[in-house]
Amino acid sequence: NAGVTQTPKFRVLKTGQSMTLLCAQDMNHEYMYWYRQDPGMGLRLIHYSVGEGTTAKGEVPDGYNVSRLKKQNFLLGLESAAPSQTSVYFCASHANRGKLYTGNTIYFGEGSWLTVV
Amino acid sequence: SQQGEEDPQALSIQEGENATMNCSYKTSINNLQWYRQNSGRGLVHLILIRSNEREKHSGRLRVTLDTSKKSSSLLITASRAADTASYFCATNQGGSEKLVFGKGMKLTVNP
Repeated sequence: NAGVTQTPKFRVLKTGQSMTLLCAQDMNHEYMYWYRQDPGMGLRLIHYSVGEGTTAKGEVPDGYNVSRLKKQNFLLGLESAAPSQTSVYFCASHANRGKLYTGNTIYFGEGSWLTVV
Repeated sequence: SQQGEEDPQALSIQEGENATMNCSYKTSINNLQWYRQNSGRGLVHLILIRSNEREKHSGRLRVTLDTSKKSSSLLITASRAADTASYFCATNQGGSEKLVFGKGMKLTVNP
């Protein structure tokens, strides 16, 4: 049971390049989230999904797109990377709305460090 | 916008001492959760307290919640060097599918 796996772990992009971060979970979770973490800012929600085929915007969605074609995968795309998107990205998942209310079954990935130069 | 705000932003103590971290939030909540993050790692859930609870314990952790003041505190007793990490509070508003995190607090426990 791998939990939540993020790939790649590290990436350096040039301004204007595109890339996709992959989040995969093997726990059959319905809910998946993408956060970014910047110094002094905590975690800010980018996009989230409450089930296969659904996505919704979070706090800071601009410049990002997401897709949830398969229940186990949540992809975060940067179409034209900007230096302001240099950050650490975290994916999280939990089983359902009820689990959000209990908290102890919310799982985070280990993070993806992205630098845009 | 950030819902939770931890205070202090950084705390340095000696092993064996107690560490108290505070979190304030702005809107009504369904529950408040505390997470820990070791340097370079993901977040790990520590404890959750529901809006109708006032205090909760888990091992060396004690969490209180004061909904009238919209604040929570996390107490780590008899701290250890291994408790060195960043700690975040996160809130879930009623009916929401999202967790909103605070900016975090860095705890350093010196051996």
